Amino acid sequence: AQSVTQLGSHVSVSEGALVLLRCNYSSSVPPYLFWYVQYPNQGLQLLLKYTTGATLVKGINGFEAEFKKSETSFHLTKPSAHMSDAAEYFCAVSEEGGSEKLVFGKGTKLTVNP
Amino acid sequence: GAGVSQSPSNKVTEKGKDVELRCDPISGHTALYWYRQSLGQGLEFLIYFQGNSAPDKSGLPSDRFSAERTGGSVSTLTIQRTQQEDSAVYLCASSLVSSYEAFFGQGTRLTVV
Repeated sequence: AQSVTQLGSHVSVSEGALVLLRCNYSSSVPPYLFWYVQYPNQGLQLLLKYTTGATLVKGINGFEAEFKKSETSFHLTKPSAHMSDAAEYFCAVSEEGGSEKLVFGKGTKLTVNP
Repeated sequence: GAGVSQSPSNKVTEKGKDVELRCDPISGHTALYWYRQSLGQGLEFLIYFQGNSAPDKSGLPSDRFSAERTGGSVSTLTIQRTQQEDSAVYLCASSLVSSYEAFFGQGTRLTVV
């Protein structure tokens, strides 16, 4: 079965600083990978996804992620943090065989300090 | 509405009572998922419906949990004889076939007292 590990349940950055949220997955076949964001008291929203093709994926709000097969990673980055980026971020992977069932990591709560 | 709708948004129930949580997916979405979100535990998969296929129930934690999807649209998650450990936010999502983009509702916060 697929699994996702997000390193760091809490990450704190200063406004304007680089955001780096780490995600590693386990899979014996190329997976489909996703980052979702959850703002306080809201549902989850898709930030970006990797299915096939270019390994550097750009998403909404200036976020991007790079699929690195050799490292089984899909880290999320943003060059300059904004106060509005404060939220919880979830990495997810699709099941082997292309099933649409998503397996989520435990989430990383991002705090942005002024 | 344009998004996934869940009701109720909040539910407080007494231990041992049954509860029903409802999900209205986006029109035309054939895939529907239920997840449970507990503090610090991320999203726990519960059940997945895809079109007319048999649902994937592999995530249901016990036989007290069941779900159905009527007419390929609305879904109801039922928890019988609720326990305090059932307290969590229950999230529903829907997607188009092979789009790999799940749209989430705002969830139902269940509190068992």
